[in-house]
Amino acid sequence: DGGITQSPKYLFRKEGQNVTLSCEQNLNHDAMYWYRQDPGQGLRLIYYSQIVNDFQKGDIAEGYSVSREKKESFPLTVTSAQKNPTAFYLCASSIKAGSIYEQYFGPGTRLTVT
Amino acid sequence: AQKITQTQPGMFVQEKEAVTLDCTYDTSDPSYGLFWYKQPSSGEMIFLIYQGSYDQQNATEGRYSLNFQKARKSANLVISASQLGDSAMYFCAMREYRNYGGSQGNLIFGKGTKLSVKP
Repeated sequence: DGGITQSPKYLFRKEGQNVTLSCEQNLNHDAMYWYRQDPGQGLRLIYYSQIVNDFQKGDIAEGYSVSREKKESFPLTVTSAQKNPTAFYLCASSIKAGSIYEQYFGPGTRLTVT
Repeated sequence: AQKITQTQPGMFVQEKEAVTLDCTYDTSDPSYGLFWYKQPSSGEMIFLIYQGSYDQQNATEGRYSLNFQKARKSANLVISASQLGDSAMYFCAMREYRNYGGSQGNLIFGKGTKLSVKP
């Protein structure tokens, strides 16, 4: 079945450690996205990628980094520079960026940093 | 200023009744799209319905319809015949196609409305 997978579902880290969240899609979509969701809030865009080997910062990119070496993979690293990393992280993909096509979302990773 | 406003933090509806979830938006771009997503407690975002700014007809998808009032800049979601499984967070989102600004026409989300369906 086609879809987006994110692993793990729950992730715990100590403050000061970098952590990488996985996102894989087999929908053959060009565009991929990372969002952050805090309790009682909507989604905020962290990074997005329109094509392999290219990515742009979203609205809250500070303290995060990404790579897009393969079309199907878009991992997100939460660095120790991110001041409030505890949040729910959602990965999404769409056929193309900036189009009328909807974004398909993965199940999310809940990151807790203590 | 907020681009997407959802004024109802929480809503209750009786099973089998219809419910309207409000969404107003703010844009100067003549070309834009409006989306509604459902987020159950599991966390995944599920696409429900899309309305383009130039669409003449209100969008419908099964029990979901979008009451699009362009002059009022509102895009309310109507769920008919509510079911217990409709209990979830609902998010309205917008994509601007020309006024790219800093996020290249990506989705802008509201804060959501929590819908609870009572048996």
